[in-house]
Amino acid sequence: EPEVTQTPSHQVTQMGQEVILRCVPISNHLYFYWYRQILGQKVEFLVSFYNNEISEKSEIFDDQFSVERPDGSNFTLKIRSTKLEDSAMYFCASKRQGTTSGRDTQYFGPGTRLTVL
Amino acid sequence: KNEVEQSPQNLTAQEGEFITINCSYSVGISALHWLQQHPGGGIVSLFMLSSGKKKHGRLIATINIQEKHSSLHITASHPRDSAVYICAVRVQGAQKLVFGQGTRLTINP
Repeated sequence: EPEVTQTPSHQVTQMGQEVILRCVPISNHLYFYWYRQILGQKVEFLVSFYNNEISEKSEIFDDQFSVERPDGSNFTLKIRSTKLEDSAMYFCASKRQGTTSGRDTQYFGPGTRLTVL
Repeated sequence: KNEVEQSPQNLTAQEGEFITINCSYSVGISALHWLQQHPGGGIVSLFMLSSGKKKHGRLIATINIQEKHSSLHITASHPRDSAVYICAVRVQGAQKLVFGQGTRLTINP
C-alpha cells in the first residue's frame, strides 16, 4: 500500500541553523500539508500546498518557514534559523482530492523529530 | 476555548470492555477525522465522517452535525488498541485540520 515517507526520522541541530525536512507524498495525491506536534501538546497545522503554491497557512508559519515541491515527488519544509521552540515532531500529510469524499482522507508520514539545542 | 475538545483525556480499561471517546467542536466543519497515534508518534487515519456512522472492524464512529459532537467506539477492546486517539475537524471553507488534544487509551490484559 502506498505511504507517505519522511526523512530524516530524527534531526538534531544547533539554534540558528537552517534545517530542511523532506517528505515524499503518495504519488497521485494533489494536496500536501505540514503539521507539528510539540512534545506533550496537540498537533498543529502549519501549511497546506496545492498546485505549486501555498493554499493556507497558520500564524505559526512565519517568515522563518518555507515549503517547496522542487520536483514531482519531494515536498520540503525549510526552517531558516531554528529556535529552541521549534523542537517538535513534524508530520507531512497528503491527500488525493479537496472535496469531502473518500479521497479526502489525509495520509500522514511517520514524522521527523526535530531537536534544536 | 479550544475549538475541538475531547473527553476523557485519559482512559484505562480492561481487555474486552466497550470503549467510548467523545469529541465536541465549536466551528463549522466539512468533515471530522478520527486518528490513532502510537507511542512511536506515527499517525494513522481511522475514519473520516461528514454525517452518520461508519464501522471498520471493531471500531465505530458516529457524528451528530446538529449537536457538533462525535464519538469513537471500540468493541471488545484489546491491549493492542492502546494508543492516543485524536479527533480533528476540517474547518468549513478551509483545508486545515484543527486537532483535539487526544485521548490516551490504555487497555490492560
